[in-house]
Order: sequence, then structure tokens, then C-alpha cells
Amino acid sequence: DAKTTQPPSMDCAEGRAANLPCNHSTISGNEYVYWYRQIHSQGPQYIIHGLKNNETNEMASLIITEDRKSSTLILPHATLRDTAVYYCIVRAAINRGGGNKLTFGTGTQLKVEL
Amino acid sequence: DTGVSQNPRHKITKRGQNVTFRCDPISEHNRLYWYRQTLGQGPEFLTYFQNEAQLEKSRLLSDRFSAERPKGSFSTLEIQRTEQGDSAMYLCASSLGLGPDTQYFGPGTRLTVL
Repeated sequence: DAKTTQPPSMDCAEGRAANLPCNHSTISGNEYVYWYRQIHSQGPQYIIHGLKNNETNEMASLIITEDRKSSTLILPHATLRDTAVYYCIVRAAINRGGGNKLTFGTGTQLKVEL
Repeated sequence: DTGVSQNPRHKITKRGQNVTFRCDPISEHNRLYWYRQTLGQGPEFLTYFQNEAQLEKSRLLSDRFSAERPKGSFSTLEIQRTEQGDSAMYLCASSLGLGPDTQYFGPGTRLTVL
């Protein structure tokens, strides 16, 4: 699975959009980009994933660049409850020879403040 | 609640004791994963099951660790002769075992070895 690079920390004002970047320059064509978050002392929470196209769900939007070498997770209206560590993970689908484990880095600590 | 559940949520034990954790996956999920997370780090893969078969084990899973999923439903993770270095959060995740194979995590079991 390709490696990812994320900034160690970011701050965001409550009510504003939080834009979390992730670089995955060695991503291959069959690898998905996943985002999880982990609020202190809880298990990781799945947010969203995408392959090529931009994706949106009730939690967030995922913007993937055309060359797929980077992506941005957007929380449109951040609240204090969005304060967490956000992990960007690249992994192939299991029917495309993907590994079975998720490889977590150290993620981005997002702090949402008043 | 139909999410992944883990018991106990917290466990304090003395060095040398054996401990066992339980994970109940999301119903109909074929795959079940165990991860370990130490302070300040992202989760690290330990092992996973496809139904009742244990298909992959990390080298982090020493001989003192054993995991089972006897009927392809719940799983147990046992640590024998615990050491202080085993203190960590033990996370369980489950997935359908298809395509992108999104993994959903439980709340974790926090182990403290005194």
C-alpha cells in the first residue's frame, strides 16, 4: 500500500470549513483513499473513501486531484466535536490484490476552537 | 446498536497474568481484524480472520498472543504472561470482505499492565 504524508496538526475555527490535506504521490491505479478519525480514547471512525472521483457523504467531502497524488478531506462546518486525529490511508480493494490491513500513520491532529 | 462491540472496555492486570478480550463484529461481516495502539501512535495491525480462518498474523503477535474466532462470529484475543509493554489499546474491526472492504472499528479495550 502506498505511503501517505499529512501535517501533524491543524487548527480550525468552529463553523468554518476544515480542509485536511494528504499526499500520496506513489498511489497506484487500484488503490483507494480512505479517511478515518479518532477522537481521544475511542476507536477509529470511518469517514469516507474514494478512488478517482470526488465523494461526499453526511460527514465530509473528499476531493482527489486529477493525478490522484493528493487529496483533501473537507469538513464543511467544523464543530468542537470534530476535534480528533484524522488519518489518511491508501489501500487497494481486496479483489485487486490489496493487502488486508490498514496501515495508519500518525495522522493530523485537528483542533477546532471557538 | 449494530456496531462492533468490545469487552471489557478497560482491564487492569498485574504482570504475569493472562487476559482475554472479546470482540463482537457487525452482523454478517465475514472479516474480523485486531489492531493494537500505543500512546501517540496510530493503530498497528495484529491479525485478521476470514470467517473462522486466521489468515494473516503480524510479527507483532508474539507467541504469548493468541486469537480465535471459533464459529466465525465473535473473536477472542488472549495475552498470556502479560508484560508492561503489552499496555495498549486493543482495537477490533470488521468488514464485509468485498471490494473496497471498509473496516468499522469498535471502541477498543484499554489494557494496563502493572
